[in-house]
Amino acid sequence: DVKVTQSSRYLVKRTGEKVFLECVQDMDHENMFWYRQDPGLGLRLIYFSYDVKMKEKGDIPEGYSVSREKKERFSLILESASTNQTSMYLCASSLATGGSNQPQHFGDGTRLSIL
Amino acid sequence: AQSVAQPEDQVNVAEGNPLTVKCTYSVSGNPYLFWYVQYPNRGLQFLLKYITGDNLVKGSYGFEAEFNKSQTSFHLKKPSALVSDSALYFCAVRDRGDSNYQLIWGAGTKLIIKP
Repeated sequence: DVKVTQSSRYLVKRTGEKVFLECVQDMDHENMFWYRQDPGLGLRLIYFSYDVKMKEKGDIPEGYSVSREKKERFSLILESASTNQTSMYLCASSLATGGSNQPQHFGDGTRLSIL
Repeated sequence: AQSVAQPEDQVNVAEGNPLTVKCTYSVSGNPYLFWYVQYPNRGLQFLLKYITGDNLVKGSYGFEAEFNKSQTSFHLKKPSALVSDSALYFCAVRDRGDSNYQLIWGAGTKLIIKP
């Protein structure tokens, strides 16, 4: 089974802090994604990466950056945390081989609170 | 513009009764369609997908979904609901013609199965 591991389940930070969310997958997937999930809004894509050192902006990249130095690891960075970034953050990965019909596999999420 | 609609925020079903969670989509080309389930405080789990072929797709935990091209729908169904099916369900779509791996997500439907 694919395993996507997010480093923290719950995190509390203060406004203005630089926050790092880490995600590791163990199935050699090429694609990795960061989403935020808010009630009634579904999943919104922040950034995704289809290869090491490659990144593409999603729908809501403002206030975030990402890093993918190794294939298995995809980090989300909140440059200067604000209260409106309080949310559930979900990491996912998918296989590129076989086409774009491959399902995404998700971690259990990080519930981030910015005080 | 591509979109996914899940018209019901919440669906209530008695245990043992059949359930349906609705999804309609809009893409410019032909779709790949997905259903995911999210249990409380967990990430999303892949249930099933439609790629091509038979319009009735079977997936995990006894769920199935019917692709209807004329109605642009992909409703999730189960013949006999279990209390353990209570969760948040997401429909997602990708246009086959897209060169990226992004999914367009519905807002989610909360399914409540009452004993």
